[in-house]
Amino acid sequence: AQSVTQPDIHITVSEGASLELRCNYSYGATPYLFWYVQSPGQGLQLLLKYFSGDTLVQGIKGFEAEFKRSQSSFNLRKPSVHWSDAAEYFCAVTGGGNKLTFGTGTQLKVEL
Amino acid sequence: GAVVSQHPSRVICKSGTSVKIECRSLDFQATTMFWYRQFPKQSLMLMATSNEGSKATYEQGVEKDKFLINHASLTLSTLTVTSAHPEDSSFYICSAIGGTGALYNEQFFGPGTRLTVL
Repeated sequence: AQSVTQPDIHITVSEGASLELRCNYSYGATPYLFWYVQSPGQGLQLLLKYFSGDTLVQGIKGFEAEFKRSQSSFNLRKPSVHWSDAAEYFCAVTGGGNKLTFGTGTQLKVEL
Repeated sequence: GAVVSQHPSRVICKSGTSVKIECRSLDFQATTMFWYRQFPKQSLMLMATSNEGSKATYEQGVEKDKFLINHASLTLSTLTVTSAHPEDSSFYICSAIGGTGALYNEQFFGPGTRLTVL
């Protein structure tokens, strides 16, 4: 069965600082990987996804993620965080067929 | 982008009553809709998958008689929590996809419904 681990429940960074959110997955074959963001009272928005090809994926809002098969990781990065990035971030995996398995999420707080 | 709405955003009900939550795709036809449940500090857990005009497919451990799902049109799916109890209190989120045939179709998520059962 596929699974996703997000080791950090909460992360606090200063505005302008760099950010890395960790995601480790478990899946027997090549996974499809996603990062979503959820603001309070809103639905999940897709930041980026990895299906195949270049392991460094660019997303919206200046985010990127790198797929590392050897480490079973798909960490999300942003070089300079903005106060508006404060939200909950979810990593998700599927092996195809549209059924997503989500991690427990990382709550990002941005200090001004 | 594709927009999915949910109604109501919050609902409080008494134990034993039934509650209906609507999920609508506003600007596309949703061939498949998904219903998730999210407990505080926990993952989104897929409850069921519904395809327009057919019965929903429930995940293991989800009571189909407790959580009734109807996907009667290409823009509307409903989740009815029957005889709700306090342990059913949770955040319910729907998502929708507009295509078929691809190995993966992007899911568009609704804003969620907070259910509190007293």
